[in-house]
Amino acid sequence: QKEVEQNSGPLSVPEGAIASLNCTYSDRGSQSFFWYRQYSGKSPELIMFIYSNGDKEDGRFTAQLNKASQYVSLLIRDSQPSDSATYLCAVNFYGQNFVFGPGTRLSVLP
Amino acid sequence: DAGITQSPRHKVTETGTPVTLRCHQTENHRYMYWYRQDPGHGLRLIHYSYGVKDTDKGEVSDGYSVSRSKTEDFLLTLESATSSQTSVYFCAITEVPGQGNSRGYTFGSGTRLTVV
Repeated sequence: QKEVEQNSGPLSVPEGAIASLNCTYSDRGSQSFFWYRQYSGKSPELIMFIYSNGDKEDGRFTAQLNKASQYVSLLIRDSQPSDSATYLCAVNFYGQNFVFGPGTRLSVLP
Repeated sequence: DAGITQSPRHKVTETGTPVTLRCHQTENHRYMYWYRQDPGHGLRLIHYSYGVKDTDKGEVSDGYSVSRSKTEDFLLTLESATSSQTSVYFCAITEVPGQGNSRGYTFGSGTRLTVV
């Protein structure tokens, strides 16, 4: 059984700070990793994906992958109140369906 | 979301009645999925389809059935609704699952189902 774990939060950060969201996964063979943002009452929307070890940056977002330690993280720089949402980590193994984590609720305080 | 619609958006039904939720896409994607989302559990896969008339079970398929007679439509049926099936149901589509998929899943707006 492939598992994806996230701290459910809520994670509270002040406006302008860096928010760090973490995700661990059980299957060492996992290949692709996605981060989704979900506002309350809305559907998940894709923020970033990463395949290779290291960092991947897109604007204020940075995804970090460490396959040896089996974790993937999402950093949000200069956090804004509009970033307040639940962030879902999704992990895929060898073309199979994604397994989603339970999500971390982020609250950015003005 | 553009290219994928779910209906109905909200439904209240009685225990023991059958319920069908519809997912319609205009993207011509091969893969379609039904998830349920509950507090503390995140998104859990119910059933998925990898082509017309090709479907398979997910991790929480008991009490649910699906059909896909056309590329664009994926139906989820609760054969005899129970209170434990009260949830938010999301449909998702993708071109290719896994490695090489740079777009992930695109989700519909969801259906909030309440079984009383």
